[in-house]
Amino acid sequence: EVQLVESGGGVVQPGGSLRLSCAASRFTFEDYAMHWVRQAPGKGLEWVSLISGDGGSTNYADSVKGRFTISRDNSKNSLYLQMNSLKTEDTALYYCAKGNTAVNSPIDYWGQGTLVTVSS
Amino acid sequence: AIRMTQSPSSFSASTGDRVTITCRASHDISSSLAWYQQKPGKAPKLLIFAASTLQSGVPSRFSGSGSGTDFTLTISCLQSEDFATYYCQQYYSYPPWTFGQGTKVEIK
Repeated sequence: EVQLVESGGGVVQPGGSLRLSCAASRFTFEDYAMHWVRQAPGKGLEWVSLISGDGGSTNYADSVKGRFTISRDNSKNSLYLQMNSLKTEDTALYYCAKGNTAVNSPIDYWGQGTLVTVSS
Repeated sequence: AIRMTQSPSSFSASTGDRVTITCRASHDISSSLAWYQQKPGKAPKLLIFAASTLQSGVPSRFSGSGSGTDFTLTISCLQSEDFATYYCQQYYSYPPWTFGQGTKVEIK
């Protein structure tokens, strides 16, 4: 079955940076769009960003646009999220999630998440 | 952005009950709707996509219906393992891909 393992979370001060990684396995990574979705403590799901299979197309939520950058390395079956200028409201569990070959498709697998805490 | 509104936000039910959760989109999304189940401390799990197509391995007591702006998730006979929070998500118009606020199903 599809496996997605996130890493890179931690505690960071406001204004700081963090880079999340997601190691993917058991599917042909380069064929699929990938998402980052976050969940603040006790809250619902918020879509953050998407990247197409070849990495040529990216999208961002307005709340992170200009601060976060999604990327992927298909040779390493890895997805990344570079987070700069972090704010306290970015505190959340960040999930790496697999889309489908078409961008307008649901998320069918999720990782277990990595926790990002932004606090002074 | 398309806004997704679920109702109710939470409710209590008993094992064996038939339960229905509603999701309303602020604009027509055709059938581009998914339902997810999330248990405490776990990642969400895809239950239904294209409004009514059951994901492989999901029990048949789960069903989805609707198109356009109004959708429902029905659990025909609630089991103990179904107590969880359920989210709808539209993938018709993006960005952003938007989720409903969630519906928590609790034990009565």
